[in-house]
Amino acid sequence: GNSVTQMEGPVTLSEEAFLTINCTYTATGYPSLFWYVQYPGEGLQLLLKATKADDKGSNKGFEATYRKETTSFHLEKGSVQVSDSAVYFCALKNTNAGKSTFGDGTTLTVKP
Amino acid sequence: IAGITQAPTSQILAAGRRMTLRCTQDMRHNAMYWYRQDLGLGLRLIHYSNTAGTTGKGEVPDGYSVSRANTDDFPLTLASAVPSQTSVYFCASSDGGQGTGELFFGEGSRLTVL
Repeated sequence: GNSVTQMEGPVTLSEEAFLTINCTYTATGYPSLFWYVQYPGEGLQLLLKATKADDKGSNKGFEATYRKETTSFHLEKGSVQVSDSAVYFCALKNTNAGKSTFGDGTTLTVKP
Repeated sequence: IAGITQAPTSQILAAGRRMTLRCTQDMRHNAMYWYRQDLGLGLRLIHYSNTAGTTGKGEVPDGYSVSRANTDDFPLTLASAVPSQTSVYFCASSDGGQGTGELFFGEGSRLTVL
């Protein structure tokens, strides 16, 4: 079956530091890949997505590239802000199956 | 645009009581989902519905039931609540079909079973 493995947290960084959160997956076929973000007390919302190999998703300074050869979709940001403090979830979806598979989430705390 | 609306936001419930969590979407999405979120366990799918009139079991369906009488509503019922059902519950929807499958989430319902 499908699975998503995320870098374990929590992650604590100083403002303006470089962020990487690793995500690898196992799936049949050619899934779409997603990063979702959950701010405190809120539901998840889509941060970025990529639908095929070598696609790069980007939003709010975050980027992730769909790497089929390494089955990875690592999240990066060059300079984090305090407002980026949240829980980040990597996920995949096989379009035929109709259900998403989530990683366990990585909690990021950014300190001023 | 409201998106996904969940109710109640928070509830404390005695064990053995029946409880229905409500979920309504205004995006005319075909697919809807219920997840529970527990510390250290991430998001786990309880039930889903690919289209009105159909439902399916996720990875943790026991103790829960759902119905999908129309496109907009997808209530989750706990017939007889137990303390292990204490969790935060999220309803979500997606456009299904040949779309990329992005999920839209509600704000969550925090349930405590005593």
